[in-house]
Amino acid sequence: KAGVTQTPRYLIKTRGQQVTLSCSPISGHRSVSWYQQTPGQGLQFLFEYFSETQRNKGNFPGRFSGRQFSNSRSEMNVSTLELGDSALYLCASSAGLANTQYFGPGTRLTVL
Amino acid sequence: AQTVTQSQPEMSVQEAETVTLSCTYDTSENNYYLFWYKQPPSRQMILVIRQEAYKQQNATENRFSVNFQKAAKSFSLKISDSQLGDTAMYFCALKSEGGSEKLVFGKGTKLTVNP
Repeated sequence: KAGVTQTPRYLIKTRGQQVTLSCSPISGHRSVSWYQQTPGQGLQFLFEYFSETQRNKGNFPGRFSGRQFSNSRSEMNVSTLELGDSALYLCASSAGLANTQYFGPGTRLTVL
Repeated sequence: AQTVTQSQPEMSVQEAETVTLSCTYDTSENNYYLFWYKQPPSRQMILVIRQEAYKQQNATENRFSVNFQKAAKSFSLKISDSQLGDTAMYFCALKSEGGSEKLVFGKGTKLTVNP
């Protein structure tokens, strides 16, 4: 099976812009979670989706949003980018709550 | 709130030797899952090993094994016969049994395997 894929792999934006990141889960996985990784804060949970419904959300401002499509692919959007949004954004998918999450390669976002 | 603590920011080991990475956690739940993930310089997060809290037997995957002490809320990772390819950041993570996929991560331990 192909692994979790994320596009794009690298992105450079300027403050105030918005960005959309995409995640395609492993075939058959219906759960997708997103994490932000920064040197200062480490790995922080953003949100998770299951069957097109947001099941849980981390402690991030409303500028961070996401959605999941009927084919389980997920997107996350960050509006009005700030310098502090520069991070590695990781997506993970799993086959269900009792199963392990498998991570994609991440999208490196740089905000200038 | 659940927390995961990795008290060793950096460690190093000689090739072929054994190293143990420490992890402690806090949760009020009785059933949960614990994981060790590895993140090499390529940045891809890779599952190393997983432990269900209701299982008393420690998980083992080839050269990787854990020492799970539920009462002490401790979950250490032992890497035997260390290889150069084991050089990476290692993250300990905790997940509740139900309702959410949310993983709570420790800050990580940077492991360097020296030739």
